[in-house]
Amino acid sequence: AQSVTQLGSHVSVSEGALVLLRCNYSSSVPPYLFWYVQYPNQGLQLLLKYTTGATLVKGINGFEAEFKKSETSFHLTKPSAHMSDAAEYFCAVSGNTGFQKLVFGTGTRLLVSP
Amino acid sequence: EPEVTQTPSHQVTQMGQEVILRCVPISNHLYFYWYRQILGQKVEFLVSFYNNEISEKSEIFDDQFSVERPDGSNFTLKIRSTKLEDSAMYFCASTTPATDTQYFGPGTRLTVL
Repeated sequence: AQSVTQLGSHVSVSEGALVLLRCNYSSSVPPYLFWYVQYPNQGLQLLLKYTTGATLVKGINGFEAEFKKSETSFHLTKPSAHMSDAAEYFCAVSGNTGFQKLVFGTGTRLLVSP
Repeated sequence: EPEVTQTPSHQVTQMGQEVILRCVPISNHLYFYWYRQILGQKVEFLVSFYNNEISEKSEIFDDQFSVERPDGSNFTLKIRSTKLEDSAMYFCASTTPATDTQYFGPGTRLTVL
């Protein structure tokens, strides 16, 4: 069975500050890991993913995440927050193929203040 | 860029009525999914579909739910007799082995009164 824990249902940062959204996972097989972003009244958009290979992955809009197997973590970071980053962020895990179901965390709402 | 589309964007129905939610996956994708998100909660997997049959389903996906790919482009989710607790946002997704990524549609908000 797989599961995802996202610490912090809400994270508030100032514009220009570092963004850190935490994700820990549990998986009985080598996982594929994903971060999706959901803007208000919209669907889920892929930010970045880890499948195999390099553990530091870069995504769209300046976000990146590092897969740390020893810590079972896949935290999302961005050096400098922008107002447009305000959204809900979901971490998800699947088995080690691209077509297995996604198991999502509860999401973290990122608030960015001027 | 190709995208997954869903209709309608919002569906309101009375408890006990049947609803059909429609999705058009990305054209060369082979695997199709339905997920739902109850307001304020996490996104939950309902069912996956490949080669014209269900490949996996969750405990939520009981006999009231069914899926179908009636033609080469559409993928539908039917709820036979809706309950209040079926009120949620329903997302369709699709993928192909070459991409390792599920692409999501914008969702259908189902409201059961």
